[in-house]
Amino acid sequence: AQSVAQPEDQVNVAEGNPLTVKCTYSVSGNPYLFWYVQYPNRGLQFFLKYITGDNLVKGSYGFEAEFNKSQTSFHLKKPSALVSDSALYFCAVRGPTNDYKLSFGAGTTVTVRA
Amino acid sequence: DVKVTQSSRYLVKRTGEKVFLECVQDMDHENMFWYRQDPGLGLRLIYFSYDVKMKEKGDIPEGYSVSREKKERFSLILESASTNQTSMYLCASRDSKDGYTFGSGTRLTVV
Repeated sequence: AQSVAQPEDQVNVAEGNPLTVKCTYSVSGNPYLFWYVQYPNRGLQFFLKYITGDNLVKGSYGFEAEFNKSQTSFHLKKPSALVSDSALYFCAVRGPTNDYKLSFGAGTTVTVRA
Repeated sequence: DVKVTQSSRYLVKRTGEKVFLECVQDMDHENMFWYRQDPGLGLRLIYFSYDVKMKEKGDIPEGYSVSREKKERFSLILESASTNQTSMYLCASRDSKDGYTFGSGTRLTVV
């Protein structure tokens, strides 16, 4: 079985400070890892993914995520947060099999205060 | 851009009613999925489909069924709606490069 843990329900940071949203996963075989973001009253939007290659994945708006195989983690980071980064963030994983099922974490609400 | 369209944004149904949630994608994707989203639980997979007329149970299929008669359309059916099925329902399709596109969601309230 595959699963994702997002240990923090909420993350609160001041604008301009670093932002980290944590994600750990469990899956058989090499993982396919994803971050999705959901803004208020909006649908789920793809943010970035890791499938293979460089462990550091760069996304939009200055975000990046680092795949760490030994720690089974895929934390999302941004060096300097903006108020507009406030949203609900989901980490997701699937295994290398051909069923393509994505398993999601419970989500982390990020609030960036001005 | 891929479009995944869910026919209703909001629905209110009575307990015991049969409910159909429709999802259409416009990019000839083979894989389609139905999730429900609940606060604190994230997204949980209800059913998915590899191709036309093919379906597989996800993690929480009880009380639901699906239909995929055409490649572009994947319907979720609540055979007899109950209050614990009040939720946000999200449909998704997947392309060959692991791009998953989600619809805007249907917020279903069962009273």
